Amino acid sequence: GAVVSQHPSRVICKSGTSVKIECRSLDFQATTMFWYRQFPKQSLMLMATSNEGSKATYEQGVEKDKFLINHASLTLSTLTVTSAHPEDSSFYICSARFGQGDTGELFFGEGSRLTVL
Amino acid sequence: AQSVTQLGSHVSVSEGALVLLRCNYSSSVPPYLFWYVQYPNQGLQLLLKYTSAATLVKGINGFEAEFKKSETSFHLTKPSAHMSDAAEYFCAVSLPNTGNQFYFGTGTSLTVIP
Repeated sequence: GAVVSQHPSRVICKSGTSVKIECRSLDFQATTMFWYRQFPKQSLMLMATSNEGSKATYEQGVEKDKFLINHASLTLSTLTVTSAHPEDSSFYICSARFGQGDTGELFFGEGSRLTVL
Repeated sequence: AQSVTQLGSHVSVSEGALVLLRCNYSSSVPPYLFWYVQYPNQGLQLLLKYTSAATLVKGINGFEAEFKKSETSFHLTKPSAHMSDAAEYFCAVSLPNTGNQFYFGTGTSLTVIP
C-alpha cells in the first residue's frame, strides 16, 4: 500500500536553532500533504495543508513564519520550525491523501519527535 | 459545524474480552468515517473506513465498525482482545466535497489486561 515516510524520527536541538522535517510519499504522488502536531496523550491538531507548487494553508492560530512549509515536488513536503523554543517540543506528523476525491484514506508518516532544549 | 466525539479517553479490557470503542459525529451531511490506530511514537495506521457502501465495515486485525446514521455513531469493535491491540485509537471524519479536510476525535487509549 501507499507509504509516507518522515525524517528524522527524532531530533534534539538547542533553543533558537531551526529544524527541518521531511515528509515523502514513497510510491504515489501527493499534490496535498498535511502537517499535524500532537501533544502527549492528545489528538492530532492540523497545523497546515501543504499544496504542491503553491503556498501552504495554515490553520487559525498557527504562525506561518514560525512553521515554514515547502512543497516543492509531488512527493516531498518539508516543515521547518524556525527559531525553535522549548514550547515547540512536540510530535509532528505528516500525512498525504491517497486516491481521488473525499474517500481516499490518509497515509501517515511515522512522526518526528522534536525536543528543544 | 462538524465534530467527532470519542467517549472514554481510556478503556481497559481483559485479554479475550470484547473491545468496544465509541465514536459519535455531528455533521449536516453524511460523512465518510475512519478509524486509525497509533502505537507509541509512531504515525497513524488505518484500521477501516466507511464511505457510503456497506454500513458494517471490516478492517484489519479483526476490527470492525458499524455506521448507524440514526445514532450518528461509528463504534469500533473486536470480539476478542489481544495484548497487541493495546494502543491509541482515533476516529476521524471526512466530509464530502470539502477537499481533504479530516477531523479527528480526541482518541481512546486501549489497555489490554492479561
